[in-house]
Amino acid sequence: AQSVTQLDSHVSVSEGTPVLLRCNYSSSYSPSLFWYVQHPNKGLQLLLKYTSAATLVKGINGFEAEFKKSETSFHLTKPSAHMSDAAEYFCVVSVDYQKVTFGTGTKLQVIP
Amino acid sequence: GAGVSQSPRYKVTKRGQDVALRCDPISGHVSLYWYRQALGQGPEFLTYFNYEAQQDKSGLPNDRFSAERPEGSISTLTIQRTEQRDSAMYRCASSFGTGAPFGYTFGSGTRLTVV
Repeated sequence: AQSVTQLDSHVSVSEGTPVLLRCNYSSSYSPSLFWYVQHPNKGLQLLLKYTSAATLVKGINGFEAEFKKSETSFHLTKPSAHMSDAAEYFCVVSVDYQKVTFGTGTKLQVIP
Repeated sequence: GAGVSQSPRYKVTKRGQDVALRCDPISGHVSLYWYRQALGQGPEFLTYFNYEAQQDKSGLPNDRFSAERPEGSISTLTIQRTEQRDSAMYRCASSFGTGAPFGYTFGSGTRLTVV
C-alpha cells in the first residue's frame, strides 16, 4: 500500500522569498516520488522525480526536492518565488512502478 | 504526436447518455494511464495499459466505466449511462517505459459535465 500526504492545501509567499511545499509519503517498499505542477487550464507537468539515485533532486524552473527516508518526506523547495510559479502542485508516489498515487495538491499563491 | 492529445476538450452531456473520451498518446509510448480529477482534488487513478493489454482496472468506479486500447496506441474511456457524479476532468497520461521511473506525460484533459 502507498499513500502521500500534502500537508498544506494552500501556501502563500511573497515574490522573491523561498518556497516550501511539504509532502510525506507512506509505502511498504522503496518508492519513486514525483512532483507535478498544474497551471490553470493546463495539463500536469513533471517538475522532478526521485528514483533511488541522488537524494537531492533538481527539477525545472529552479525547483528541487530532497528525499529523506528517515522522515518519509519529499518536500519541494525553491530559493526565490516568481509570479509564474503560482499554480497547484502535486506530490506523487509510486512503489510498484505502475500505479501511482497523487496527493490532494497544494495551491501556491505568489504575492507581488 | 508531440504531446498527449485528448478529445474532446470539453463535453457536456445529459444524465443517462453514454460518452466516449479519446486519448492519443505520444508515439512509441508503451504505457497509457487514465485518471479522473474532481474539482479541488488530486488526480485519481482509473486504469492503465501496457501496449494493448489492460493491466489494472481497479480504479474504475463501477461497471459503467470501461476502457480499451485495441491497437496499443489510441485509447478510449467510455462511460455508460452517465450520472452527475461523473462530472470531472478526465486525464490521460503516457509513458515511454513500463514504469514510473520514466515519468508520465499528461494530456490537457477532457472536462466532462453531466447535467
